[in-house]
Amino acid sequence: RKEVEQDPGPFNVPEGATVAFNCTYSNSASQSFFWYRQDCRKEPKLLMSVYSSGNEDGRFTAQLNRASQYISLLIRDSKLSDSATYLCVVNIPASGTYKYIFGTGTRLKVLA
Amino acid sequence: GAVVSQHPSRVICKSGTSVKIECRSLDFQATTMFWYRQFPKQSLMLMATSNEGSKATYEQGVEKDKFLINHASLTLSTLTVTSAHPEDSSFYICSAISAYEQYFGPGTRLTVT
Repeated sequence: RKEVEQDPGPFNVPEGATVAFNCTYSNSASQSFFWYRQDCRKEPKLLMSVYSSGNEDGRFTAQLNRASQYISLLIRDSKLSDSATYLCVVNIPASGTYKYIFGTGTRLKVLA
Repeated sequence: GAVVSQHPSRVICKSGTSVKIECRSLDFQATTMFWYRQFPKQSLMLMATSNEGSKATYEQGVEKDKFLINHASLTLSTLTVTSAHPEDSSFYICSAISAYEQYFGPGTRLTVT
């Protein structure tokens, strides 16, 4: 099983739609979870961290389910500018510290 | 937020030559930096964890003798791709941790001809 897995995508949605992405992780010792956004041929940009209590930032809501070991990202009222690849990132214990593993990414295309 | 730079942003080299990529944390000190590689239409794959003052930790399947990592100071880590081959052509991205958040450099696009 991969350490971090995501919905394969691509997701093609109309403007204004609500879309949700899921990401599962295999290591129960993971402590930190993030959603990143990556535009074509650019470096990833942090979208939001994911907290146990869930967190919201404008149109974006992230949730963590430790029991089932998955995180989710909900985007409401999709905009054309939301078109990008969304990557979940999970930290995994390694040699006394942590390393950060990316999921495969889910591509979102918002259509006019 | 914290700033991480990479140099060069783009490099083209001939097969068999070596290429050095620099990753700098500009406004903070980073004892740990990470090196990732991203092939077209794929996600970022962690190559190695670079530790200041000690040896890097490589992921399974990454050749440490081919991808030399040096983290000589708290603000600089370098990745040298030795004896580059066309299959090493990829987007190489570094990152560093500041205040528990990971900041990425802009990436280096390597093309080996």
